[in-house]
Amino acid sequence: GENVEQHPSTLSVQEGDSAVIKCTYSDSASNYFPWYKQELGKGPQLIIDIRSNVGEKKDQRIAVTLNKTAKHFSLHITETQPEDSAVYFCAASKGNTGFQKLVFGTGTRLLVSP
Amino acid sequence: DVKVTQSSRYLVKRTGEKVFLECVQDMDHENMFWYRQDPGLGLRLIYFSYDVKMKEKGDIPEGYSVSREKKERFSLILESASTNQTSMYLCASSLPSPYNEQFFGPGTRLTVL
Repeated sequence: GENVEQHPSTLSVQEGDSAVIKCTYSDSASNYFPWYKQELGKGPQLIIDIRSNVGEKKDQRIAVTLNKTAKHFSLHITETQPEDSAVYFCAASKGNTGFQKLVFGTGTRLLVSP
Repeated sequence: DVKVTQSSRYLVKRTGEKVFLECVQDMDHENMFWYRQDPGLGLRLIYFSYDVKMKEKGDIPEGYSVSREKKERFSLILESASTNQTSMYLCASSLPSPYNEQFFGPGTRLTVL
């Protein structure tokens, strides 16, 4: 089955710096790659996603890149702010008809210091 | 505003007890999911349901069962709780398209003593 590895497990940056979180997946049939952010005491929330027919996607300060050949994708956060502090999860899915089974990475705890 | 609610934020049970975790969504979503979250292991899928009375095993179904009698409600059952089931349990729901966002509840932190 699919296996998703995520690095680093923790990341500390200064406010205004950029942060990059990397994930690799094992199943070349995976075609959907969402990123979820989990704030303290809350459930994860989708922040950005990318499909395999696209190499990069941006939404304001966040961007995701996908390298299908290497089977890895990354989350980039620019101009980090303290409110970006959270746990971030990457995930991969083959997008099977009728239901989607997401396989999640192990999470990255991002701490942004003022 | 979309909402997934879970019956308890914190729960303490004894080994061998039968435990029910309830999840309700108000978005008329077909898909519902139960995950457990453990440090260093991320989110692991226990069970999911794509329709009323339909269920499929996820990656770690052992020791759990589920029930979905109504579209909006998905229950996770621990038939005989054990200490290794101490964890954070997250419920989620989504529309049936493979590319739809999963909406998560706030989680239930279960401690089995």
